[in-house]
Amino acid sequence: DIQMTQSPSSLSASVGDTVTISCRASQAISNYLAWYQQKPGKAPNLLIYAASTLQSGVPSRFSGSGSGTDFTLIITSLQPEDVATYYCQKYNNAPLTFGGGTKVEIK
Amino acid sequence: EVQLVQSGAEVKKPGESLKISCKSSGDSFAPYWIGWVRQKPGQGLEWMGIIYGGDSETKYSPSFEGQVTISADKSISTAFLQWSSLKASDTGIYFCARRHPGAGTYYVGAFDIWGQGTMVTVSS
Repeated sequence: DIQMTQSPSSLSASVGDTVTISCRASQAISNYLAWYQQKPGKAPNLLIYAASTLQSGVPSRFSGSGSGTDFTLIITSLQPEDVATYYCQKYNNAPLTFGGGTKVEIK
Repeated sequence: EVQLVQSGAEVKKPGESLKISCKSSGDSFAPYWIGWVRQKPGQGLEWMGIIYGGDSETKYSPSFEGQVTISADKSISTAFLQWSSLKASDTGIYFCARRHPGAGTYYVGAFDIWGQGTMVTVSS
């Protein structure tokens, strides 16, 4: 099975900073990658699919890039409401696998 | 607005059976795949399996095949996840989620709409 590895596992940044989260697949998955935001006590929320397509209703400060094995989620101008854990998920084939998550906090 | 509404929290003993539900409202149930995702306390997300609302075709993650049963009743727009004999290791939050119709192929894809989650606690 393809493994998804996220880094870092946690980070702390100031409001207004640009935050970068990485996700690496153990094999190439083309652009079949999604990013989710999960706030404490809530269900995950889809941010990006197809590696770089912003889901409807998601603020434009979120962006995604990458293809093959290396992917990046960027949050420009971090806001207090962005405190959450972020997960990547590959969906080129089954089993669908999530990364281990990156917890984002405000400094 | 499409919503997935899950049944409430459950507290069970090891060896007991359980069936939790996920009801779709606001859109037709039949054209969509509804998946189940587990989140153990303090841990990440695990895909369990998925069912097609139209004909109940079901696919399981190898990690969960034989451990749970996924079913659906399209007449009431509801998907189900059930256990015949719970274990303490089944404790966690279980989310249902709709496969995004524009992000994926067949049963594999991203999930665009999520239920609120059902907390299942298994303890003697």
